[in-house]
Amino acid sequence: KNEVEQSPQNLTAQEGEFITINCSYSVGISALHWLQQHPGGGIVSLFMLSSGKKKHGRLIATINIQEKHSSLHITASHPRDSAVYICAVGTQGGSEKLVFGKGTKLTVNP
Amino acid sequence: DVKVTQSSRYLVKRTGEKVFLECVQDMDHENMFWYRQDPGLGLRLIYFSYDVKMKEKGDIPEGYSVSREKKERFSLILESASTNQTSMYLCASSLYWGRTEAFFGQGTRLTVV
Repeated sequence: KNEVEQSPQNLTAQEGEFITINCSYSVGISALHWLQQHPGGGIVSLFMLSSGKKKHGRLIATINIQEKHSSLHITASHPRDSAVYICAVGTQGGSEKLVFGKGTKLTVNP
Repeated sequence: DVKVTQSSRYLVKRTGEKVFLECVQDMDHENMFWYRQDPGLGLRLIYFSYDVKMKEKGDIPEGYSVSREKKERFSLILESASTNQTSMYLCASSLYWGRTEAFFGQGTRLTVV
C-alpha cells in the first residue's frame, strides 16, 4: 500500500464547478504539500500545511491530522485549472523525505 | 523570479551516450534532489544532496550518478544511457526537505533512442 493515496486519479469538470481532490496518508508527517503540474512539466508548490486550512484565491486546502487526510478544493473552476495535482507529505524522523502521491489529473471543460 | 533552472527542456540522446542534466538554484538551499517521473509511477527519487560534495542514493539510483561541486548546482549523470531511462527528469531544492516549501525546475524530457 502506498504511503500517500490520492483520489480520484482522473477528474473531469465543467467550468464553474466546485472541485475536491482528496489525499490520505499513513505515516507521521511534518507537513503536507499540494503541488500543481501543468502539461509541459514544471511543478509549482500551491500549499504547505501542517494543520487547519489555507486559502489562496480560489484554492483552499484543509488537513485533518487525526484522520490523516487532506483535501484540495477549487471553487468556480476554470479551464486554466486543468493540470495534475499532486499531494506530498514530509515524513517525520530519521532522514526527512518527501513522499508523493501519484497525482490527480484534472480537466476543466469550458 | 526563476528559482530552479534545468539546462534543457527536451533532450534526445542515443543509447550508450553519457548524458549530463544540469540544475541550478538561486536560493542558497543546501538540499537538492533529482526525480524521474513516469506515467502511473509518479515521482521517484534518484539521488539527493544535502551539502556540497555530499550525495545520497534515493529509491532508484541504478544507472545514474550525481555531482555537486558548488552549492547552487546539482548535476545528474547517465553513465551509459539506455532506452528505459527515457523519462521526465525533475530537479528540486528546499531549505528543509518536507518541512519547508519545495521548489522544482521546469523538467527535462529525455528520450533515449
